[in-house]
Amino acid sequence: DQQVKQNSPSLSVQEGRISILNCDYTNSMFDYFLWYKKYPAEGPTFLISISSIKDKNEDGRFTVFLNKSAKHLSLHIVPSQPGDSAVYFCAASLTGGGNKLTFGTGTQLKVEL
Amino acid sequence: DTAVSQTPKYLVTQMGNDKSIKCEQNLGHDTMYWYKQDSKKFLKIMFSYNNKELIINETVPNRFSPKSPDKAHLNLHINSLELGDSAVYFCASGRKGAKSPLHFGNGTRLTVT
Repeated sequence: DQQVKQNSPSLSVQEGRISILNCDYTNSMFDYFLWYKKYPAEGPTFLISISSIKDKNEDGRFTVFLNKSAKHLSLHIVPSQPGDSAVYFCAASLTGGGNKLTFGTGTQLKVEL
Repeated sequence: DTAVSQTPKYLVTQMGNDKSIKCEQNLGHDTMYWYKQDSKKFLKIMFSYNNKELIINETVPNRFSPKSPDKAHLNLHINSLELGDSAVYFCASGRKGAKSPLHFGNGTRLTVT
């Protein structure tokens, strides 16, 4: 039973354009959501997070949107750069869960010149 | 300065052997985790320790035994290795009860032949 899903295994975007990565979840108890970026042979690196009391959080080129009614979040990267090419994981946790993260299966983003 | 470091990076061994993976964090976090990334790239939690106490123990074979000598270290010992144990194992650290990101090590790729 996968509680966090990323239905697009891959995404290709041109440099300078917007990248939109999507994530859906099924557990309505999740109240904290994160995006991680992962390069080959490295561990996941934290990118940006959002609490369920907000619907948007922005950090430089990265913005995360949360739609609680739809149980959906998205990560927008604008403008996309070649260095953004990596696997992006969506993750979620709930209060009282020991800060345990439940991950999606990841989306491979490729930013082309 | 590596925040979460795990050794070894690669581990190749035969079925039936016993092996250990070590993890150390210098972030002052009180909670450490082991995650497993399988062949489908799915990151799933195995264990979590808070101040040397086991707080999360997902459905993992009892051949896997975590050990935390202090809150900065969490080692993973695996007995009687099986082919299906081949995966990448990630150590992470964070703060229990806080809505804050986990920090991951670079992973240990275990190959059982």
